[in-house]
Amino acid sequence: GAGVSQSPSNKVTEKGKDVELRCDPISGHTALYWYRQSLGQGLEFLIYFQGNSAPDKSGLPSDRFSAERTGGSVSTLTIQRTQQEDSAVYLCASSLAAGLIQTQYFGPGTRLLVL
Amino acid sequence: GQQVMQIPQYQHVQEGEDFTTYCNSSTTLSNIQWYKQRPGGHPVFLIQLVKSGEVKKQKRLTFQFGEAKKNSSLHITATQTTDVGTYFCANSNSGYALNFGKGTSLLVTP
Repeated sequence: GAGVSQSPSNKVTEKGKDVELRCDPISGHTALYWYRQSLGQGLEFLIYFQGNSAPDKSGLPSDRFSAERTGGSVSTLTIQRTQQEDSAVYLCASSLAAGLIQTQYFGPGTRLLVL
Repeated sequence: GQQVMQIPQYQHVQEGEDFTTYCNSSTTLSNIQWYKQRPGGHPVFLIQLVKSGEVKKQKRLTFQFGEAKKNSSLHITATQTTDVGTYFCANSNSGYALNFGKGTSLLVTP
């Protein structure tokens, strides 16, 4: 079936504005993850959902970042009052369930540029 | 999460040469995963290793997990231009959050 999809693919915003990033996981995948990749850096874990619950929000960089998931499917990552250091590629991944043996499938990412 | 360090940061080889990237940790890892990210693309899962001393092969790629489970390597035999990209190792002790190394960027020139 279809892979993980994310929208928008690119987003340019002005400092101080809010942005919403969307992730559609693979159908049937109960676990969903958000990561951030800054230029030339590895991937940084942000938050994880099991169903609609987020057991671990410890990776969110500040209280300007929030995420929700509804219906056990689509997730939205919201960044309020964006700052230039928020510029990065935001990647979403999903897996059948959480667990060490579960493969995480990544979406194409949203490239966010804060001017 | 546990830090995994990758070396080298960059590698430039001629097509046909071999390539190896190393992933090291100061503490024992429960597992190690390898991902490949093509330029402009997203990470794609390659393999997961969980057993001490484990060796797995995928065509020209050989993955190893150290006996002490503190290091891992990815070796590519006879590189091709299609091997270009960044190779990341990652581990997860939590069962969900992946801790990624900073990756090794491979450039292959024909």
